[in-house]
Amino acid sequence: DSGVTQTPKHLITATGQRVTLRCSPRSGDLSVYWYQQSLDQGLQFLIQYYNGEERAKGNILERFSAQQFPDLHSELNLSSLELGDSALYFCASTPEGSRRMGYTFGSGTRLTVV
Amino acid sequence: GQQLNQSPQSMFIQEGEDVSMNCTSSSIFNTWLWYKQDPGEGPVLLIALYKAGELTSNGRLTAQFGITRKDSFLNISASIPSDVGIYFCAGQKSGGGADGLTFGKGTHLIIQP
Repeated sequence: DSGVTQTPKHLITATGQRVTLRCSPRSGDLSVYWYQQSLDQGLQFLIQYYNGEERAKGNILERFSAQQFPDLHSELNLSSLELGDSALYFCASTPEGSRRMGYTFGSGTRLTVV
Repeated sequence: GQQLNQSPQSMFIQEGEDVSMNCTSSSIFNTWLWYKQDPGEGPVLLIALYKAGELTSNGRLTAQFGITRKDSFLNISASIPSDVGIYFCAGQKSGGGADGLTFGKGTHLIIQP
């Protein structure tokens, strides 16, 4: 157990629908990162939140959004889903404040869009 | 998006052999990380490198941060069955963590007994 908790583990939904993925970071970690892993694109950075504020954006589509709540858990919202959004979605957390930090990944949410 | 060039894509080796894989980039990174991912799990950090030229070991694993800051390699000595998995290199440009990691496409390690 890495200490980063992601729910649900699996999600199957239809095209056009909207889903919410949840991540609880490791205790004490202020930063949460979201990544998408697909067969063709590999692991791609989507977005980072630090202590409730958006800090960095990667290859995140406009149909996707995220937020980090006061208790530091984060949610990734995916809307108007397309078949190509099927992928593993990982969240990672870091303690922040130091360059020598370890990114700890959760076990991921496998999203299947049908 | 940008990705690191990781090679080889896959390796079929005998148990006990040494393994070497590397990552290259056209741009500079300030941090290089090596991860291992098992099926159904998230990537697990193996080694982190923070300074050009740095050579770091973790048990049978050794990794180096290239002098040009555009490459890194990972060696695994005397491979064992539990080394099977996908190994990813990752780089980070910023020093303070205010950006995400850029990943290679992975090296799939298969060990034949």
